[in-house]
Amino acid sequence: DAMVIQNPRYQVTQFGKPVTLSCSQTLNHNVMYWYQQKSSQAPKLLFHYYDKDFNNEADTPDNFQSRRPNTSFCFLDIRSPGLGDAAMYLCATSKSYPGGVNQPQHFGDGTRLSIL
Amino acid sequence: AQKITQTQPGMFVQEKEAVTLDCTYDTSDQSYGLFWYKQPSSGEMIFLIYQGSYDEQNATEGRYSLNFQKARKSANLVISASQLGDSAMYFCAMTRKGGKLIFGQGTELSVKP
Repeated sequence: DAMVIQNPRYQVTQFGKPVTLSCSQTLNHNVMYWYQQKSSQAPKLLFHYYDKDFNNEADTPDNFQSRRPNTSFCFLDIRSPGLGDAAMYLCATSKSYPGGVNQPQHFGDGTRLSIL
Repeated sequence: AQKITQTQPGMFVQEKEAVTLDCTYDTSDQSYGLFWYKQPSSGEMIFLIYQGSYDEQNATEGRYSLNFQKARKSANLVISASQLGDSAMYFCAMTRKGGKLIFGQGTELSVKP
């Protein structure tokens, strides 16, 4: 089945130690999103790629970076994780086009990040 | 500014009964999409149902239906014949141009046996 896969499912890192979360998709969707979701809150969009074009949200901290080396893969890099970065990180994809509003986003199972 | 409001932080329903989860939205866009997602405690976000702003018929997907009242700017989710596996957090969301989603704060549904 076509899907969105996030690895690992659980990630533990140390305070200040860089960490990378990965996302891959077999849907061949041109848009990929990264969300941060803290306990009992709605997902918060960090950034998204439209093909190779990177779009950062205005309030995303500089500590968060992303790479999309090809259509299938997207990475979230946290350069110096702080305790406040402990959260669920969700990757999503959609088949979209400029101005499009009717395509659902398909999510991976998420990576739960803990900071020691 | 666009906004999604879910006024029910938590809901209980008896197994096999129907339940309605409320969602209102605010937008000045003419074209928009409305979505419902289910998030079990394991964390994955599952797409349930979609309604387009120009769709005249209410969307249905199996036991899920979306009660779309455009004039009232509401897009309530109706789950018929609730099952224990329906216990989860439910998010209403709206797309903006370019496909970005705006989420409501969610409603936690508990199904009682």
